Amino acid sequence: AQSVSQHNHHVILSEAASLELGCNYSYGGTVNLFWYVQYPGQHLQLLLKYFSGDPLVKGIKGFEAEFIKSKFSFNLRKPSVQWSDTAEYFCAVDFSSGSARQLTFGSGTQLTVLP
Amino acid sequence: NAGVTQTPKFRILKIGQSMTLQCAQDMNHNYMYWYRQDPGMGLKLIYYSVGAGITDKGEVPNGYNVSRSTTEDFPLRLELAAPSQTSVYFCASSADRGYGYTFGSGTRLTVV
Repeated sequence: AQSVSQHNHHVILSEAASLELGCNYSYGGTVNLFWYVQYPGQHLQLLLKYFSGDPLVKGIKGFEAEFIKSKFSFNLRKPSVQWSDTAEYFCAVDFSSGSARQLTFGSGTQLTVLP
Repeated sequence: NAGVTQTPKFRILKIGQSMTLQCAQDMNHNYMYWYRQDPGMGLKLIYYSVGAGITDKGEVPNGYNVSRSTTEDFPLRLELAAPSQTSVYFCASSADRGYGYTFGSGTRLTVV
């Protein structure tokens, strides 16, 4: 079965540090890729998405992600994190080739930014 | 504001009780989904629907049921609640592939 892996379960950074969260998926076909963020006590919100074109995607709040097809990866980056970036981050992949538009989510990475 | 509305936000059930989690969207999205979120496990798909009258099982459907009589509504039914169903439940909708999901605010369910 197709799967999505986020190998970092918990990342702790100081403010102004750079961030990179890994995401890998197990499928060689066409995929659509997403990163979602969940702030404490809130629902998931879309950070950015990729479905074609430039593999470097820019999202909200200064986040970006790079799609590397040969590595089946879609890593999330931010040059300088802020305390307000403390949240859980989920990578999600649309593997669907049929009519259903389902997302498969990774297990999430908890980011804690220390002031 | 347009979006996905879930009710209730919190609920405590006793083992064996039943309940319905409500989900409604006003964006005219064809695709709707129910996920459960457990700590360290990410989100698991319970059921989904690609349009009114059409539903299908996801990864973890056992113990749940859904219906989709209208485009707007997608309720999730728990018939005989079990402690394993303690979780946070999220409803989501999508217009089409590549748009991503719009999530509701979630229902935190505890079965005791």
